Amino acid sequence: DAKTTQPPSMDCAEGRAANLPCNHSTISGNEYVYWYRQIHSQGPQYIIHGLKNNETNEMASLIITEDRKSSTLILPHATLRDTAVYYCIVRVGGGNNAGNMLTFGGGTRLMVKP
Amino acid sequence: DTAVSQTPKYLVTQMGNDKSIKCEQNLGHDTMYWYKQDSKKFLKIMFSYNNKELIINETVPNRFSPKSPDKAHLNLHINSLELGDSAVYFCASYSWDTQYFGPGTRLTVL
Repeated sequence: DAKTTQPPSMDCAEGRAANLPCNHSTISGNEYVYWYRQIHSQGPQYIIHGLKNNETNEMASLIITEDRKSSTLILPHATLRDTAVYYCIVRVGGGNNAGNMLTFGGGTRLMVKP
Repeated sequence: DTAVSQTPKYLVTQMGNDKSIKCEQNLGHDTMYWYKQDSKKFLKIMFSYNNKELIINETVPNRFSPKSPDKAHLNLHINSLELGDSAVYFCASYSWDTQYFGPGTRLTVL
């Protein structure tokens, strides 16, 4: 699986958009970008994933650059409850493969401030 | 409705003891995992099970023995507990690109 690089921490004002960057310059053509978050004392939570097109769901948007070497997770209107560690993970996706476990890095600790 | 549940939530025990952590998922998934999160907060995969069969063992000491009585349950038994086993253990189930994590079990070995 390709390695990812994320800033260790970021701050965001409540109500503003939170833009979390991720570099994955060694990503392969069949690898997807996944985002999970872990709120304090809870298990990780799936947010979104994509291959090369931008994706949006009820939680966030994922913008992937054309060369796929980096991506940005966007929380459009951050709330205090979005304070968490956000993990960007790159791995082969698709299907229902039992070998598709996740390799977590250090993530970005997002602090949403009032 | 809790999709993935773990018991107990907290476990404090002495070195050398044997303990078990239970995990259950009501999502109907075939695949389940155990992850360990250490004091530095890094999450690492331990085991992967598919339909009650072990698929992946990420060089975990054989003191750790997962057991899957049916595909909704994946329990973790740990023998001869050591100080370094203190961590938060997460169970997860998986289906079609999404993993669903349990709330975690905080194990403290004294």
